[in-house]
Amino acid sequence: DAGVIQSPRHEVTEMGQEVTLRCKPISGHDYLFWYRQTMMRGLELLIYFNNNVPIDDSGMPEDRFSAKMPNASFSTLKIQPSEPRDSAVYFCASSLASEGQPQHFGDGTRLSIL
Amino acid sequence: QKEVEQNSGPLSVPEGAIASLNCTYSDRVSQSFFWYRQYSGKSPELIMSIYSNGDKEDGRFTAQLNKASQYVSLLIRDSQPSDSATYLCAVNGRGSTLGRLYFGRGTQLTVWP
Repeated sequence: DAGVIQSPRHEVTEMGQEVTLRCKPISGHDYLFWYRQTMMRGLELLIYFNNNVPIDDSGMPEDRFSAKMPNASFSTLKIQPSEPRDSAVYFCASSLASEGQPQHFGDGTRLSIL
Repeated sequence: QKEVEQNSGPLSVPEGAIASLNCTYSDRVSQSFFWYRQYSGKSPELIMSIYSNGDKEDGRFTAQLNKASQYVSLLIRDSQPSDSATYLCAVNGRGSTLGRLYFGRGTQLTVWP
């Protein structure tokens, strides 16, 4: 079975540009999570969805960040405008709804804002 | 705010030794515990899950859970250089945070030949 699929794998762009990260969760999974990982702050939860509905976006750092999940098989994380401090690895993960289910991670998007 | 603390590391052990990774958590009602391994430049990969007090063994890996002490550990026997990675402890949320996992900062393990 296919795992969580993220695109692009790498993104290099200039400050001020819009960045869109994409994620396809594992089929049948009810939860979808967006994380950001840096050396300084470790793995941070940005937002998560249950059945396409955002449950908690308290980890979204600023209004420049937005996330959508228009259907069960697709989610986007958008940064507009991007800043150098947004440079990080962004992971998407998904899981089943039952209690005690682990999360499965995609390969991540390595984002560099120049 | 749920907290998950891991021994800060880095941890360095010789090949063939036992590596011991520790994790404590703040929420007494947590029921599900996970260990993830993350190689440099890669994504976290689930290696163990444990739900009941006691030990759970899977090959060279043993997870130990003590809910009374709010403590979970991972032992790696006969450590190999390929075990060199960062190990993340994760604890489940419950109630309004069901589905969410709370991660520790990770412990970096180096196994030297």
